[in-house]
Amino acid sequence: EVQLVESGGGLVQPGGSLRLSCAVSGFTFSSYSMNWVRQAPGEGLEWISYTSGSGSLIYYADSVKGRFTISRDNAKNSLYLQMNSLRDEDTAVYYCARGSYHTLDYWGQGTLVTVSS
Amino acid sequence: QSALTQPRSVSGSPGQSVTISCTGTTSDVGAYDYVSWYQQHPGKAPKLMIYDVSKRPSGVPDRFSGSKSGNTASLTISGLQGDDEADYYCCSYAGSLRAVFGGGTKLTVL
Repeated sequence: EVQLVESGGGLVQPGGSLRLSCAVSGFTFSSYSMNWVRQAPGEGLEWISYTSGSGSLIYYADSVKGRFTISRDNAKNSLYLQMNSLRDEDTAVYYCARGSYHTLDYWGQGTLVTVSS
Repeated sequence: QSALTQPRSVSGSPGQSVTISCTGTTSDVGAYDYVSWYQQHPGKAPKLMIYDVSKRPSGVPDRFSGSKSGNTASLTISGLQGDDEADYYCCSYAGSLRAVFGGGTKLTVL
């Protein structure tokens, strides 16, 4: 069974940092591209970052470019999102999702990040 | 990259059909046959329902179908059931290895 489990969310002050993790199981992690998608409270979905299976290709939405860093450890079956210089508008549930940037076939349950003073 | 345009809400009675539209531009929906649709129940993670405009993942009922004409993609749900009540989001490849979502449509089953 494919499973994706996010962790690392929490309350952080504006300007602070946070590192999210996504532990996966049930498939060959290194063979799949992975993404982070977020959803602000009461709002829609926003794709924010993509990494290829090897980690050699990485892309970001303009809204997070230069502040967020996606990475993966294929030996640990884990995906990460390092978030720096956090802003109020980064408050959201963050999902990791398997697949290409436009076809996300499995999603985790999400982890809530709250940016507030 | 602007979000794709979806109606805020649609509704239908059990057994009826509803169609949700998703309008983009010549840079996303109109340029690529890479449109997907996601169903999200309250408090739950999104679920892939349609990909590559009209393909259904294994396990998704054939009551769900997708299509595209020009810059507008559509999701049609036939034989509405109570469990279909959810938010639906479209997503399109937008070039430069990026994706863009629609604003979401709330489906109410009357």
